[in-house]
Amino acid sequence: GAVVSQHPSRVICKSGTSVKIECRSLDFQATTMFWYRQFPKQSLMLMATSNEGSKATYEQGVEKDKFLINHASLTLSTLTVTSAHPEDSSFYICSASAGGNSNQPQHFGDGTRLSIL
Amino acid sequence: AQTVTQSQPEMSVQEAETVTLSCTYDTSESNYYLFWYKQPPSRQMILVIRQEAYKQQNATENRFSVNFQKAAKSFSLKISDSQLGDTAMYFCAFMKGVANFGNEKLTFGTGTRLTIIP
Repeated sequence: GAVVSQHPSRVICKSGTSVKIECRSLDFQATTMFWYRQFPKQSLMLMATSNEGSKATYEQGVEKDKFLINHASLTLSTLTVTSAHPEDSSFYICSASAGGNSNQPQHFGDGTRLSIL
Repeated sequence: AQTVTQSQPEMSVQEAETVTLSCTYDTSESNYYLFWYKQPPSRQMILVIRQEAYKQQNATENRFSVNFQKAAKSFSLKISDSQLGDTAMYFCAFMKGVANFGNEKLTFGTGTRLTIIP
């Protein structure tokens, strides 16, 4: 149980394109989801905390107008990278909190490798 | 704010040997959790072991064990009888909280790249 599906796993697109990444909790409801960014050989940096039905909470230094987060249901959160540029190329990982119903604090998706040409 | 420090960017060890990865943290919280995550080349994040701060007993999961020194704010991971499949990035992580995790965020260390040599 507690599976998180992230889609797409890889995307390559031209500069200026907007890219949407989906994060779904398949077998549990997640009131809170998290979005991370990971540069090569570096750690996971939290970008924002996504709460169902309310605005996301962004970490300091993360542009909310650049990285749009929507958490419209208890099983789906989306991250849209607007007008993506090469410097936005990175590995993006989502996770979902199952709260007290899990032995883990967060269940992670398999990540999305974003490459902007 | 919490900080997590991993001072060993890379380590390597012969297969079947024991290796210890270091982690220190800083917090003013009295109730929290500590975790070790493994990220293999597939990039999937896998929980290896967890420790509740209020528990004095060190957590153990098969070949993996921790040395939790609360006063020193140290949380090292020992891997016994290392296997080739243990090759991965290992991240130490902190989460504040008391019970049931809640919806708190994780703070990750910078990671240690562990290579098991055949």
